[in-house]
Amino acid sequence: KQEVTQIPAALSVPEGENLVLNCSFTDSAIYNLQWFRQDPGKGLTSLLLIQSSQREQTSGRLNASLDKSSGRSTLYIAASQPGDSATYLCAAHSGGGADGLTFGKGTHLIIQP
Amino acid sequence: NAGVTQTPKFQVLKTGQSMTLQCAQDMNHEYMSWYRQDPGMGLRLIHYSVGAGITDQGEVPNGYNVSRSTTEDFPLRLLSAAPSQTSVYFCASSLGVLGYEQYFGPGTRLTVT
Repeated sequence: KQEVTQIPAALSVPEGENLVLNCSFTDSAIYNLQWFRQDPGKGLTSLLLIQSSQREQTSGRLNASLDKSSGRSTLYIAASQPGDSATYLCAAHSGGGADGLTFGKGTHLIIQP
Repeated sequence: NAGVTQTPKFQVLKTGQSMTLQCAQDMNHEYMSWYRQDPGMGLRLIHYSVGAGITDQGEVPNGYNVSRSTTEDFPLRLLSAAPSQTSVYFCASSLGVLGYEQYFGPGTRLTVT
């Protein structure tokens, strides 16, 4: 059964810093990995989707990488801003509808002004 | 496009009551699914559908029913609410089953007393 772990569980950094959020998964037979952002009391906003054949995806100040062989993905946030404060979730899609997405428990990120 | 919509946003039920959580999408997505989010547990798949007339169970289906009579709608029914079903419920959709970005609704916060 796929398991997804996110480290750290919480992170607080000053504005302007570059930071890395980590996501690991136990079963490397994934179809894709998706990063989400969740603001308090809100739904999930998709940030980046990396297919299993890809190594990385970029959107603005965000860059996500995928290393299937080691079971790891990272989300790099450049020049962090207070508006980046949120919980970041990664989810692995291991294939087959019954598996759906397997989510990590998230990293709660606070960017200090 | 409105994307994925869910109603109601909040609901309080008494133990034993039944209700239906509504989910609709206007993106002509074939795949729809329901997740619940609990503190410390992450998001877990309840039921999913790969197209109209087709539904199947996810990781935690007990106490819930679903149906998919149209491509657009995927309601989740609680048959006899229990306090253990207190949670935040999210509906998601994607163009297909494998390799596609998943889009989430804003969620329904359910409390069962």
